[in-house]
Amino acid sequence: EIVLTQSPGTLSLSPGERATLSCRASQSVSSSYLAWYQQKPGQAPRLLIYGASSRATGIPGRFSGSGSGTDFTLTISRLEPEDFAVYYCQQYGSSPPVYTFGQGTKLEIK
Amino acid sequence: EVQLLESGGGLVQPGGSLRLSCAASGFTVSSNYMSWVRQAPGKGLEWVSIIHSGGNTYYADSVKGRFTISRDNSKNTLYLQMSSLRAEDTAVYYCAREAEHRPNFDSWGQGTLVTVSS
Repeated sequence: EIVLTQSPGTLSLSPGERATLSCRASQSVSSSYLAWYQQKPGQAPRLLIYGASSRATGIPGRFSGSGSGTDFTLTISRLEPEDFAVYYCQQYGSSPPVYTFGQGTKLEIK
Repeated sequence: EVQLLESGGGLVQPGGSLRLSCAASGFTVSSNYMSWVRQAPGKGLEWVSIIHSGGNTYYADSVKGRFTISRDNSKNTLYLQMSSLRAEDTAVYYCAREAEHRPNFDSWGQGTLVTVSS
């Protein structure tokens, strides 16, 4: 079973700064199967990035994803107040299907 | 507009059973891969189960043999039958639609809280 480890656990930044969130897999993951979600308190997760680097519908251009193999990154170029939330990476494994999430990175206002 | 609305959560004793429902609108449940994902209080996300458009079902090891996913095509509704519930099953349960041809979740319900406690 592939384990996803996100770092840092908490990231303290100010609006306007650049955020870099990491997701490391215990084994190589197909880039096609790596996604990122944003979750705000009391809300359901929202899909941000799929296929490691493609933005989901309606996601602002300041969000970008990159990486391959075991190392993936979510970058928020200039933080807006509404970006402070918890972010999760997620991967898919087949035969049988299994979906694994990282433990999350909390992005908080400094 | 795609909408998912879960219901059926509540307080249940250890060893008890509960059935969650997820009513969908704006799309056809039976034509999509549909999952349940849960989140224990203050914790991260955990995938629970999926039903494919063809009817195949799959489960996380943590719930295998205790939970059953199903759907009612006439009601456009997804279900999760939970039995032999344990304290560690306490969580908000979300239903989620898998994106077409992509193994990620592009639409989520608002969640329903299940509390397993005596």
